[in-house]
Amino acid sequence: DAGVIQSPRHEVTEMGQEVTLRCKPISGHDYLFWYRQTMMRGLELLIYFNNNVPIDDSGMPEDRFSAKMPNASFSTLKIQPSEPRDSAVYFCASSLGDRPFYGYTFGSGTRLTVV
Amino acid sequence: AQSVTQLGSHVSVSEGALVLLRCNYSSSVPPYLFWYVQYPNQGLQLLLKYTSAATLVKGINGFEAEFKKSETSFHLTKPSAHMSDAAEYFCAVSEGTGGFKTIFGAGTRLFVKA
Repeated sequence: DAGVIQSPRHEVTEMGQEVTLRCKPISGHDYLFWYRQTMMRGLELLIYFNNNVPIDDSGMPEDRFSAKMPNASFSTLKIQPSEPRDSAVYFCASSLGDRPFYGYTFGSGTRLTVV
Repeated sequence: AQSVTQLGSHVSVSEGALVLLRCNYSSSVPPYLFWYVQYPNQGLQLLLKYTSAATLVKGINGFEAEFKKSETSFHLTKPSAHMSDAAEYFCAVSEGTGGFKTIFGAGTRLFVKA
């Protein structure tokens, strides 16, 4: 398996524009997580899915953020409109929900810069 | 609620010296505990995990960690640091709910001096 695949690796956009980040989890993993990493706040869980269904989106900062998982092999995180304070590295991670729990597999991240 | 505290945002050691990165956790149930490593411009990589089996856990690259319930600690050690160990290290705790939703510590950046 190629691991968790995120695209794009880097995104630079102007304030007010729509940004879409993409993630392909490991085949067979039934949980998918979106995290945001910043110097100030560290790693924050934004939302997670189980079997393509959003379970907890309490970490989503505001209504400008939305996430979908239309099928088991694809998820998107969308920011509309984007703001400079959204600049961060966004990570997608997937895992199996069975016991024992063996941890997450992370993607390489998308570095978003909003100017 | 679960939480993780990593003591020291930066740790500097000489090459060949002992590496000790400290982590304390809080959990209402027996936790799963992890250390992840992040190299520059990369995602987090699982270093080792505690899943209620042996309390001394060995991971990749010569790292190990010991689960001490009485101290609620899960410190990461390596007997001899190598230049390639320079990275950021994250301690994390998961409980058996919500798909093992994981809370990460703030991270400790390890510097290795030649």
